[in-house]
Amino acid sequence: KAGVTQTPRYLIKTRGQQVTLSCSPISGHRSVSWYQQTPGQGLQFLFEYFSETQRNKGNFPGRFSGRQFSNSRSEMNVSTLELGDSALYLCASSLAVGITNEQFFGPGTRLTVL
Amino acid sequence: AQSVSQHNHHVILSEAASLELGCNYSYGGTVNLFWYVQYPGQHLQLLLKYFSGDPLVKGIKGFEAEFIKSKFSFNLRKPSVQWSDTAEYFCAVNARGQAGTALIFGKGTTLSVSS
Repeated sequence: KAGVTQTPRYLIKTRGQQVTLSCSPISGHRSVSWYQQTPGQGLQFLFEYFSETQRNKGNFPGRFSGRQFSNSRSEMNVSTLELGDSALYLCASSLAVGITNEQFFGPGTRLTVL
Repeated sequence: AQSVSQHNHHVILSEAASLELGCNYSYGGTVNLFWYVQYPGQHLQLLLKYFSGDPLVKGIKGFEAEFIKSKFSFNLRKPSVQWSDTAEYFCAVNARGQAGTALIFGKGTTLSVSS
């Protein structure tokens, strides 16, 4: 069974640009969560999607947005990039919403903002 | 707001030494607790979890953790570490009853095991 896949694995952007990251969950999983990992702040929850609806949102500015498609694949978008957005962005999938469903993490997308 | 503290940023041990990594959380309600591990070059993966019941939980690869409610702690232990345990370890919390699956992570502890 294929794991969570994230594309691209690496990205370099400049300040002010926007970026879209993609996540394909494990087959059959319908919930997708996104996390940002930085050396200073660690892992921080961005948002969670289930059945194409955002179910939960972390404390991030509106520049961070996401969506989920009918096949459960998810994208997150960051507009007007800032230097501080440089981070590893992790996607996690689970069968459904609810903490009893184990989350499986992908390898992440490393975003560098210059 | 919930928070998770991991006391040790970097732990260095020799093989066969015992391991204990500290984790304390800040939240007044009922929580679900997790330890995740990230081996070099690999994905974050679940080591063990606690939802309810026996406060001593056993996970994969010989790891265990004890939930002490009065101390708001969920420390990770292993009696005898191996070189292959070299990794970064993250403690995480989810507030029971909170919508969704959002995890609050500690900042991680890097474990280096020398052979």
